[in-house]
Amino acid sequence: AQSVTQLDSHVSVSEGTPVLLRCNYSSSYSPSLFWYVQHPNKGLQLLLKYTSAATLVKGINGFEAEFKKSETSFHLTKPSAHMSDAAEYFCVVSIPGNTGKLIFGQGTTLQVKP
Amino acid sequence: EAGVAQSPRYKIIEKRQSVAFWCNPISGHATLYWYQQILGQGPKLLIQFQNNGVVDDSQLPKDRFSAERLKGVDSTLKIQPAKLEDSAVYLCASSSQSGQGYEQYFGPGTRLTVT
Repeated sequence: AQSVTQLDSHVSVSEGTPVLLRCNYSSSYSPSLFWYVQHPNKGLQLLLKYTSAATLVKGINGFEAEFKKSETSFHLTKPSAHMSDAAEYFCVVSIPGNTGKLIFGQGTTLQVKP
Repeated sequence: EAGVAQSPRYKIIEKRQSVAFWCNPISGHATLYWYQQILGQGPKLLIQFQNNGVVDDSQLPKDRFSAERLKGVDSTLKIQPAKLEDSAVYLCASSSQSGQGYEQYFGPGTRLTVT
C-alpha cells in the first residue's frame, strides 16, 4: 500500500535561513510524489512533482525536492526562507493506475520568524 | 484561466441538519474529486468522478453522504443528516485527466462547522 510520513509536524526557521521539510514514502511501485502548500484560508497549490524523470525536482518559489529511492525519501528544501513561505506543507503520493488518487501526509506547519 | 470554484465558503449547521456544497471545476477538466480535510490532518478522498460517472467512492460514508455530477461539469456534495464529526473543510479538485502523476487543481474549500 502507498503512504507518506511527514517526519515533523512543525518546523520553525528564521527568515533567510534554509528550509528542510522531511517526507518518507512507502510504495510497492514506482511512485509519483508531490509537494502541495496550503496558505490559511486558501486552496492547496502544487509546489512541485516527481514522476520518474530527474530525481532533483525544481518547483515554484525557489523550492526543490530530491527523490532518493534508496532512502525512500522526498525531502523539500529551500535555500533561504521568506516570510511568505509560512504555511502548511503536504507531501503526497499518487496511487498507481488510472485513478490518480492522492494520499496526503499529515502536513508540516512551517513558521518563519523575522 | 479560472480556477476551481466552490460555494459556500463557510457553513454552520446543527447536528442532524442537512447541507450541500457546490463545485465548478476548471473548464474542460473531466475528472473531479471531493476531499474531506479534518483540522490538523491531510485531505482524504471522498469520491472521484470521471465525467459524470463515479470512479472511486470507497471512502464515502454512503449512509449520510451523497454526491452527483449530472452533466459532467458541476458537482454537489450533500450530507444528511450531519454529525459533529463531519466538521471539516471540504475541498473540490479537478484534473484534465485521471491517472498517476496528473496535477490536481484545488478550490478554496468549504469550511463546515456542525454544532
